Amino acid sequence: QPQLQESGSGLVKPSQTLSLTCTVSGDSIGVGGYSWSWIRQPPGKAPEWIGWIYHDGRGDYNPSLKSRVTMSPDRSRNQISLKLTSVTVADTAVYFCARGGNGGGFHYWGQGILVTVSS
Amino acid sequence: EIVLTQSPGTLSLSPGERATLSCRASQSVWSNYVAWYQQKPGQAPRLVIYSASSRATGVPDRISASGSGTDFTLTISRLEPEDFAMYYCQQYGRAPWTFGQGTKVEIQ
Repeated sequence: QPQLQESGSGLVKPSQTLSLTCTVSGDSIGVGGYSWSWIRQPPGKAPEWIGWIYHDGRGDYNPSLKSRVTMSPDRSRNQISLKLTSVTVADTAVYFCARGGNGGGFHYWGQGILVTVSS
Repeated sequence: EIVLTQSPGTLSLSPGERATLSCRASQSVWSNYVAWYQQKPGQAPRLVIYSASSRATGVPDRISASGSGTDFTLTISRLEPEDFAMYYCQQYGRAPWTFGQGTKVEIQ
């Protein structure tokens, strides 16, 4: 089964850009036709879907974040990246990457990475 | 956006008891595309149910789910110690995909 691992900066200053990478092992992002998503969860709150993408770059973003989000696949490195611009303290959360599965839902998750927005 | 409302907020039960969790959608969920996740502190959510009633790989048959349209239910027939956790429903029938606020199943 696939293993997902998030990495990136755990501390970002307000107004700057959050950049994270999801590295996939045990699976290829270009095979199987599954979607790859980013989901975040503020401390003590419910998860929030950020967006999904396919290996060919097709995807969709949550309208609440769409103006600030970019997700990109890198098939050569088997990675999915996330960039979120103009961050504020409200963007502080654990960020997860996840893979879709047959029938839908997020079948596989990374362990998550805490990103704190603070000056 | 489809808003999911879960009830109750907290369920206090003893091992061996039955747990019934509710998830109500603000509008009908297309194709009953509802998933349920279990989350323990410090861990990622774990998929337990997809397509409203299909158990994910490795999920014990004491966990079941049903529902259609706007009303969905997760049932744990006999609570085991490892079942005490937070549970979230999620809809993926219409973008943006949304989660409920969660139900905490705690040991009484």
